[in-house]
Amino acid sequence: SQQGEEDPQALSIQEGENATMNCSYKTSINNLQWYRQNSGRGLVHLILIRSNEREKHSGRLRVTLDTSKKSSSLLITASRAADTASYFCATVRNSGNTPLVFGKGTRLSVIA
Amino acid sequence: GAVVSQHPSWVICKSGTSVKIECRSLDFQATTMFWYRQFPKQSLMLMATSNEGSKATYEQGVEKDKFLINHASLTLSTLTVTSAHPEDSSFYICSARQDTREAFFGQGTRLTVV
Repeated sequence: SQQGEEDPQALSIQEGENATMNCSYKTSINNLQWYRQNSGRGLVHLILIRSNEREKHSGRLRVTLDTSKKSSSLLITASRAADTASYFCATVRNSGNTPLVFGKGTRLSVIA
Repeated sequence: GAVVSQHPSWVICKSGTSVKIECRSLDFQATTMFWYRQFPKQSLMLMATSNEGSKATYEQGVEKDKFLINHASLTLSTLTVTSAHPEDSSFYICSARQDTREAFFGQGTRLTVV
């Protein structure tokens, strides 16, 4: 079942601007991951943040996690046209060997 | 990161035929593999979870007799779409994980049933 809900569903920005995408989830989690998907292609893992972490950085990416609000955000700084893609958050629940459950995704368009 | 190879990357088949999709973990032992389905402009929906040597666990609404999953070894899982119909046309993606570590995804298979 779908757990994560991203917003906005679609985001269009100018190159050089920052893009922020949010994700909310429903159950307790072990970790939350962000993925990127170019149109019609596979998934690229961007970053994983564990439930005991609050913030993580990777290059131009910054992810935050607020387990009290069951939400996460992905910030892409100084966006580039090549960042145009769909971005999904996915959660792994605490219990057992459970699968990633994906949100609906945000379609990001970066205009040069 | 680890490599998961999915094959074929695209396939066109006639209605009523069966199609097999392979998912291989190339440099780690995948104790668990997951199969997802994605319709255009939508998210990934989990179809089933398979543990090596066990029967797959299917999500509600997924027909196990139509989507046959085999996970006979720690490096290979297959999804067979039996008696395919046009409504089965979709993007199928596998994911492999060793124990409870990070999951890695294949590049997906675009199935078109004509």
